[in-house]
Amino acid sequence: DAKTTQPNSMESNEEEPVHLPCNHSTISGTDYIHWYRQLPSQGPEYVIHGLTSNVNNRMASLAIAEDRKSSTLILHRATLRDAAVYYCILSHFLNRDDKIIFGKGTRLHILP
Amino acid sequence: NAGVTQTPKFQVLKTGQSMTLQCAQDMNHEYMSWYRQDPGMGLRLIHYSVGAGITDQGEVPNGYNVSRSTTEDFPLRLLSAAPSQTSVYFCASNPAGPNTEAFFGQGTRLTVV
Repeated sequence: DAKTTQPNSMESNEEEPVHLPCNHSTISGTDYIHWYRQLPSQGPEYVIHGLTSNVNNRMASLAIAEDRKSSTLILHRATLRDAAVYYCILSHFLNRDDKIIFGKGTRLHILP
Repeated sequence: NAGVTQTPKFQVLKTGQSMTLQCAQDMNHEYMSWYRQDPGMGLRLIHYSVGAGITDQGEVPNGYNVSRSTTEDFPLRLLSAAPSQTSVYFCASNPAGPNTEAFFGQGTRLTVV
């Protein structure tokens, strides 16, 4: 399984953009990049995913490096509610039997 | 629309007891999975299923059994509980494989004494 590397924790000020990095140097050409987050005392929730092109949705943007060895989750304007653990995950887009393996993620602290 | 429902929310077991954690989804999702989360840690995959009648092992399957007799239900069985199985357990479902959005339940907090 391809692995991801994320910083253990990050801090950001409220109402400022947040850039959460993820390294996946062993990614294959057919791996999707997924981001989930887990708010305190809750189950994880889907944030965004992509394959090659940058992706935007109502929650965030996903910027994927041209060589796909890294990606960045962008929260455009952080709120206190965005304080959570953010997980970057890879899955093989052709293999419906693939496992979804979570790492330890990045704990994001939002400062008021 | 209930989504993914886990029962019970809390459970205390004695060492050696058995129990089943229930997981049900009403979204007709093919792919379901079970994770455990220990304090301060990420989620670890226990077992998963790509469809009714098919299950497979994840990262930490020892001490747990699963079955998938219907699309809706994916119970997790602890045959002989051990203190090391004290954890929060999450069930998830995906519409069509791991590349689709996963929906998680609210979790079951299990304590084995």
